[in-house]
Amino acid sequence: SQKIEQNSEALNIQEGKTATLTCNYTNYSPAYLQWYRQDPGRGPVFLLLIRENEKEKRKERLKVTFDTTLKQSLFHITASQPADSATYLCALDYNTGGFKTIFGAGTRLFVKA
Amino acid sequence: GAVVSQHPSRVICKSGTSVKIECRSLDFQATTMFWYRQFPKQSLMLMATSNEGSKATYEQGVEKDKFLINHASLTLSTLTVTSAHPEDSSFYICSAQTSPQTQYFGPGTRLLVL
Repeated sequence: SQKIEQNSEALNIQEGKTATLTCNYTNYSPAYLQWYRQDPGRGPVFLLLIRENEKEKRKERLKVTFDTTLKQSLFHITASQPADSATYLCALDYNTGGFKTIFGAGTRLFVKA
Repeated sequence: GAVVSQHPSRVICKSGTSVKIECRSLDFQATTMFWYRQFPKQSLMLMATSNEGSKATYEQGVEKDKFLINHASLTLSTLTVTSAHPEDSSFYICSAQTSPQTQYFGPGTRLLVL
């Protein structure tokens, strides 16, 4: 069956370090992959989109890589801050005659001061 | 940037009653809106795709007679949970699509059915 896996265990890191979150998927051929931030009790906020023919995308302190051979995306936050603490969701968009978006369950990130 | 609002932000209702949740795109028009539900520590699950002026497309396993969706204008979609039961208690989130790749999410509505 089709699946998106994100580490269900929370990631705890020290302020200033780089946080790296992983998204693995099976049985999809996604057209593109997106990362969202979700704070408790709030809707997701779009961060970055990377297409299947792109290897890497950057936006300020954020970097996303996309390896379609490994079926994996890595999401990096450099110089992390306590304000970066949130749940980060990976989402795949694939074409089934129309685009459909499937979300992972997210990984909770805690950045300690 | 594009802003999507939801109302109410949280609602408590008695079992058997109906609840309406509104989703509005405040500064843009959206021909397509999506409705999701999210249980604690789980992923967003797409319930239905709402297209302005036409019937919603429901995902497998979602009862269309229980979750009524109306997309009457380019800025408003509503989800009505009919005859709500405690198992319908969840976090309901809408999103509005501005392009095939971009969805803007509302802040969510927390529903508690007693």
